Amino acid sequence: GEDVEQSLFLSVREGDSSVINCTYTDSSSTYLYWYKQEPGAGLQLLTYIFSNMDMKQDQRLTVLLNKKDKHLSLRIADTQTGDSAIYFCAESRTGTASKLTFGTGTRLQVTL
Amino acid sequence: EPEVTQTPSHQVTQMGQEVILRCVPISNHLYFYWYRQILGQKVEFLVSFYNNEISEKSEIFDDQFSVERPDGSNFTLKIRSTKLEDSAMYFCASTMLGGDTEAFFGQGTRLTVV
Repeated sequence: GEDVEQSLFLSVREGDSSVINCTYTDSSSTYLYWYKQEPGAGLQLLTYIFSNMDMKQDQRLTVLLNKKDKHLSLRIADTQTGDSAIYFCAESRTGTASKLTFGTGTRLQVTL
Repeated sequence: EPEVTQTPSHQVTQMGQEVILRCVPISNHLYFYWYRQILGQKVEFLVSFYNNEISEKSEIFDDQFSVERPDGSNFTLKIRSTKLEDSAMYFCASTMLGGDTEAFFGQGTRLTVV
């Protein structure tokens, strides 16, 4: 079955760049997502990338997709304390949000 | 900004009891979902629901689970006879259309079975 793996924890200093990595197994994945969860809040969609793209940039966020290696990364430039949260990678084979396969989430801690 | 709301935020129940987790999806959304996350594990798809029917369900969604849209606003997940292993965070989500790329999630209900 589909599987999505992430490292559990990342600590960065405020102002540095954060890179959160994700690997997935399903070569039929059509959309790949990054969700953010702040304490006590739901899963908020940050960005997504279609599988025929290599890169997507949205303000401080850059998503890189290496389809050959089934590797997805999220880069946050100029990381702020407000970026501290859990970041979930997710994939969808159907190309819709109807059935997402999530990773375990990476807890990003931003220190001063 | 419209949001998905879930109640309660935390529920403690005794093993064997029935629980109902409630969700109010975004008002013009037509597709509804439940996911769960056992502590330390991945967020897992449970079920999708459209037009008063289950569209798809996972292996986890066995006979002890049921979903319902009892009125025009609520979407519920019922667990008939809770087990210790049902302890998890349960997330509700909704999309306007089945082909949408973005699902809107609620803040979750933490269910603790003792």
